[in-house]
Amino acid sequence: EDQVTQSPEALRLQEGESSSLNCSYTVSGLRGLFWYRQDPGKGPEFLFTLYSAGEEKEKERLKATLTKKESFLHITAPKPEDSATYLCAVTQGSSNTGKLIFGQGTTLQVKP
Amino acid sequence: GAGVSQSPSNKVTEKGKDVELRCDPISGHTALYWYRQSLGQGLEFLIYFQGNSAPDKSGLPSDRFSAERTGGSVSTLTIQRTQQEDSAVYLCASSSIQPLSTDTQYFGPGTRLTVL
Repeated sequence: EDQVTQSPEALRLQEGESSSLNCSYTVSGLRGLFWYRQDPGKGPEFLFTLYSAGEEKEKERLKATLTKKESFLHITAPKPEDSATYLCAVTQGSSNTGKLIFGQGTTLQVKP
Repeated sequence: GAGVSQSPSNKVTEKGKDVELRCDPISGHTALYWYRQSLGQGLEFLIYFQGNSAPDKSGLPSDRFSAERTGGSVSTLTIQRTQQEDSAVYLCASSSIQPLSTDTQYFGPGTRLTVL
C-alpha cells in the first residue's frame, strides 16, 4: 500500500535554530514528491516538487532533498514567520489521475 | 492572477441535511481535484476531473457524496444526508495539464463543514 510518513509530528525551534523535517515514502513507482506549507485556516501552499533521487531545490531558508526512500526539508536559520504545518505528498507512477497521497504533516513553531 | 476559489468558506448544517460546496479553479486549468482534511486524518483524495473524461470517483467515501463539473470549469461537491463524521475541511485543487506529467496542484482556501 502506498504510504507517506512524516516526522516529527511537531517541532519547536528557537529563531535561528536550523533543523530538518523528514518524509518517508513507500510508493509503487514514484512520479513526484511535493512539499506544501499550510497556515491555520488556509489551503496548502506549494513549495517544491522533486522527481528523482539526488535532486535538490531551494527557496529562501528552505531546501528540499530527495533519496529513493525519503525526502528532507531543511530549514536554515528559521524565523517566526516560518511557523506552519509542512505537508509532504507523492504521486504514483501508475496512477492516471495524478492524485496526491499526503503524509500527516509536521507542525513547526519558531519562537522569537 | 486569481487562484482557486471556494465557497462558502464555512458551512454549518444539521445532521441529515444536504450541502453543496463550490470550487472555481484557476482559469485554463483542465484538471480539478477534491480532497478532504479531517482532524487527525490528513488530506485524503475524493474525486478527480480531467477535461471531458469520466471522473475518477475512487476516493468518495460513500454514495452520499457526488460531484460534477460543468463546462469544464466550476465544480460542485454535494453531500446528501450529512452525518457528523462528514465534518471536515473540503479542499479543491487544480492543475494545468495532463496529470501524468506531475503538474503542480494549486489549492483553494477550503470549505469548513460542521455537521451538528
